[in-house]
Amino acid sequence: DAKTTQPTSMDCAEGRAANLPCNHSTISGNEYVYWYRQIHSQGPQYIIHGLKNNETNEMASLIITEDRKSSTLILPHATLRDTAVYYCIVIRGNTPLVFGKGTRLSVIA
Amino acid sequence: DVKVTQSSRYLVKRTGEKVFLECVQDMDHENMFWYRQDPGLGLRLIYFSYDVKMKEKGDIPEGYSVSREKKERFSLILESASTNQTSMYLCASRSGAVANQPQHFGDGTRLSIL
Repeated sequence: DAKTTQPTSMDCAEGRAANLPCNHSTISGNEYVYWYRQIHSQGPQYIIHGLKNNETNEMASLIITEDRKSSTLILPHATLRDTAVYYCIVIRGNTPLVFGKGTRLSVIA
Repeated sequence: DVKVTQSSRYLVKRTGEKVFLECVQDMDHENMFWYRQDPGLGLRLIYFSYDVKMKEKGDIPEGYSVSREKKERFSLILESASTNQTSMYLCASRSGAVANQPQHFGDGTRLSIL
């Protein structure tokens, strides 16, 4: 499975869009990009996933570059409850998720 | 909504005890997973199962075993608990019938071995 690189931490003002980048330059054609987050003392929460097209759901948008070597998770209007560690994971098929260190997002009032 | 339920939020056991951690999902998912999470080490895969009575070793299976007798239930067993198994344990499930579906996690069991 492709390795991912994410910034260690980011800050975002409450009400502003949070843009979380992820680099996955070794991604192969059949690998999906998944995003999860983990709020303190809870289990990881699924956010969104995609293959090559941009995706949007009620939580977030996922923008994948045309060459698929990087992606950005966008939380359109960040709230204090969005403070969490965000994980970008690339896997193929039905293999288990492998978690890296993620990005610690702090939303500031 | 997918519901993954872990039997205990907090558990305290003694060294040498046999410990059972239970996980139940209500979505008829084929795949189930056990992870542990430790500060500085992140989430690591212990065991997983693609279907009833099937099991696969993950990255750190030593000291653990699993049981999957029914589709909805996946048990993690610490055969003889040791202090280095003090950790947060997380269970997840996923549909195996449809490709590229997300894993859904329970809220975890924080296990302390004294």
